[in-house]
Amino acid sequence: DVKVTQSSRYLVKRTGEKVFLECVQDMDHENMFWYRQDPGLGLRLIYFSYDVKMKEKGDIPEGYSVSREKKERFSLILESASTNQTSMYLCASKRGEAFFGQGTRLTVV
Amino acid sequence: GEDVEQSLFLSVREGDSSVINCTYTDSSSTYLYWYKQEPGAGLQLLTYIFSNMDMKQDQRLTVLLNKKDKHLSLRIADTQTGDSAIYFCAESIAGGGNKLTFGTGTQLKVEL
Repeated sequence: DVKVTQSSRYLVKRTGEKVFLECVQDMDHENMFWYRQDPGLGLRLIYFSYDVKMKEKGDIPEGYSVSREKKERFSLILESASTNQTSMYLCASKRGEAFFGQGTRLTVV
Repeated sequence: GEDVEQSLFLSVREGDSSVINCTYTDSSSTYLYWYKQEPGAGLQLLTYIFSNMDMKQDQRLTVLLNKKDKHLSLRIADTQTGDSAIYFCAESIAGGGNKLTFGTGTQLKVEL
């Protein structure tokens, strides 16, 4: 059974903290993605990676960075968390179809 | 450019058919997808269609693709209360990791 695992379901962080969201897939996929989901806005692409150490900006990369040191792991980093980054974050892994993790609901207070 | 649009809400009665519509702008789309998201859950792939197909049927689901109008629809026959969820369409663009661009999602509410 294919699996995309996000390290946390719920996180609460303080403004200004550095935040790491981790995503691991067990399907040997090259392509991995980070989205944020907000009501009425759907899913917006933050960053994606099509190979180890390769990354490309999505539609809303500001305030985020990513790391892909190993094929199975794709990390999203909030350098200095702000309240407008409170959202649901979804990781996906793809070769043909995309598989999604369960999501991390991040609240920045 | 890439833009995928959906209406935000749809309400149907149990047993009726639901039709969720989606329009997209990028003519280089290779695959078009429908995902379902139940409350508190991640996205689950329902079905997909290659861009060179017009129609795909999978049990209660029928996907229609009109490439000329860049219009995609998902029809759910005999809609049940368990079909209540948010439905996202997405397009996959060739190149650069085949990234997926999603619509805003349509909240389907099934009433008794």
